[in-house]
Amino acid sequence: EAGVTQFPSHSVIEKGQTVTLRCDPISGHDNLYWYRRVMGKEIKFLLHFVKESKQDESGMPNNRFLAERTGGTYSTLKVQPAELEDSGVYFCASSPLGGRSLRDGYTFGSGTRLTVV
Amino acid sequence: KQEVTQIPAALSVPEGENLVLNCSFTDSAIYNLQWFRQDPGKGLTSLLLIQSSQREQTSGRLNASLDKSSGRSTLYIAASQPGDSATYLCAVSISGNTGKLIFGQGTTLQVKP
Repeated sequence: EAGVTQFPSHSVIEKGQTVTLRCDPISGHDNLYWYRRVMGKEIKFLLHFVKESKQDESGMPNNRFLAERTGGTYSTLKVQPAELEDSGVYFCASSPLGGRSLRDGYTFGSGTRLTVV
Repeated sequence: KQEVTQIPAALSVPEGENLVLNCSFTDSAIYNLQWFRQDPGKGLTSLLLIQSSQREQTSGRLNASLDKSSGRSTLYIAASQPGDSATYLCAVSISGNTGKLIFGQGTTLQVKP
């Protein structure tokens, strides 16, 4: 079974530019999550998709962040325009729906390290 | 507001030693607690998942316990090896519906040969 795939693995952009991160969840996993870890802080929740619908986006920092999951498969997270404080590692995770999710936990991708200069 | 704290932040031990990593959370209303391992530049690997109704889970040399009433979990690593060197993260799920995880800052473990 292929894992959760994220790309790019690294991205360095200038302040004010736009960056789009992509996450391909495990096939058949309807739950998809985005998390972020900024330097020196704990990993924090950004949002949660169930299929193509946003279930919880309470962790999105501001309206410069836009997440989509068209068709309920892969997801993109766009930052526009990027600011210095957006630097960090962005993780994606997926899990199956229902009881299996709570029993089996989550599978995380390797993350995208975003550096805004 | 749920907060997760991990102590110590860093730990260095000689190979072969048994060790305990600690995790505490402020709100006992959790659905489950999960321990992850993160290697430098890599993603998070799930080690153990404990449901709120369970007291412990074991996998190989790892044993995780959960005491909901006191808001604590421990990860016990037996006979540590250099390959166990990594950052260990504790996370609680506060909602059965969303699966949102609240993470601690992690404990960075170094096992010296």
